[in-house]
Amino acid sequence: DIVMTQSPDSLAVSLGERATINCKSSQNILYSSNNKNFLGWFQQKSGQPPKLLIYWASTRESGVPDRFSGSGSGTDFTLTISSLQAEDVAVYYCQQYYSTPYTFGQGTKLEIK
Amino acid sequence: EVQLVESGGGLVQPGGSLRLSCAASGFTFSNYWIHWVRQAPGKGLVWVSRISPDGGSTTYADSAKGRFTVSRDNAKNTLYLQMSSLRAEDTAVYYCARGKLVGTAGGSFDYWGQGTLVTVSS
Repeated sequence: DIVMTQSPDSLAVSLGERATINCKSSQNILYSSNNKNFLGWFQQKSGQPPKLLIYWASTRESGVPDRFSGSGSGTDFTLTISSLQAEDVAVYYCQQYYSTPYTFGQGTKLEIK
Repeated sequence: EVQLVESGGGLVQPGGSLRLSCAASGFTFSNYWIHWVRQAPGKGLVWVSRISPDGGSTTYADSAKGRFTVSRDNAKNTLYLQMSSLRAEDTAVYYCARGKLVGTAGGSFDYWGQGTLVTVSS
C-alpha cells in the first residue's frame, strides 16, 4: 500500500498569512503515460464531508478560490493557501488515487493564530 | 445539482450485518465509478471500496474483503454496501463519493454525501 504522510499535524497561521501543508507518498504517484500526478487535496470542515480542492496535484476544482494552490511531483507535494481566511479553518487531507487501496494522509488541522 | 444521500446506518451488535444505501441524483449515475470511504469518530479518512459504472468490477480494502460487498442498481441510481461480521472497529461515518472522471477509475472524488453513522456495539 502507498503510505501518505502529511506535515505538520497541526498548523496555526494568522489571518492573511500563508499556510503550507506538505504531503509525501511512499511511492512515486506520477503516471508516466500521461505525466499526471495522481494526488488530490481535500478540505473537511467540522461536521461536514470532505470537499475536493485540488486534483492531479495542481488543478483547482471548479469554484475553489484561487488562494488555494497545489504543487509537487513524484513523491513530494504541497498545498498552499496564499492568504488565510477565517473560513479556511478545517482539516486538510491529501489522497493518492494511483493505485488501490486509495490512501489518505493523516490530516493537518489548520487553525487561526 | 449532483447529490449523494446515504442511509441505512445505525446501531448493530458485533457480528451483525447492515446494508447501507447511497441514492444519487443530478448526474448520469451509470457513467461513474463510485466509492465508499469511512471515518471513525475523530479520526481520518479511509477508503473502503469502489465499483465500476456497470457494476462488473469491484475492489476492496483489506479490512473489508470477505465481509463487505458493494453493488449498484443503475436503474434506481443507487449504490449499496452490504456489511457483515461487523466489528467495533467498523464504527464510523460511511460516505459514498463519486469518481471524478467519466467511465474511468483514475480520478479523485469530486462529490461526497453527508455520510451515515454505523455504530458497532453491544
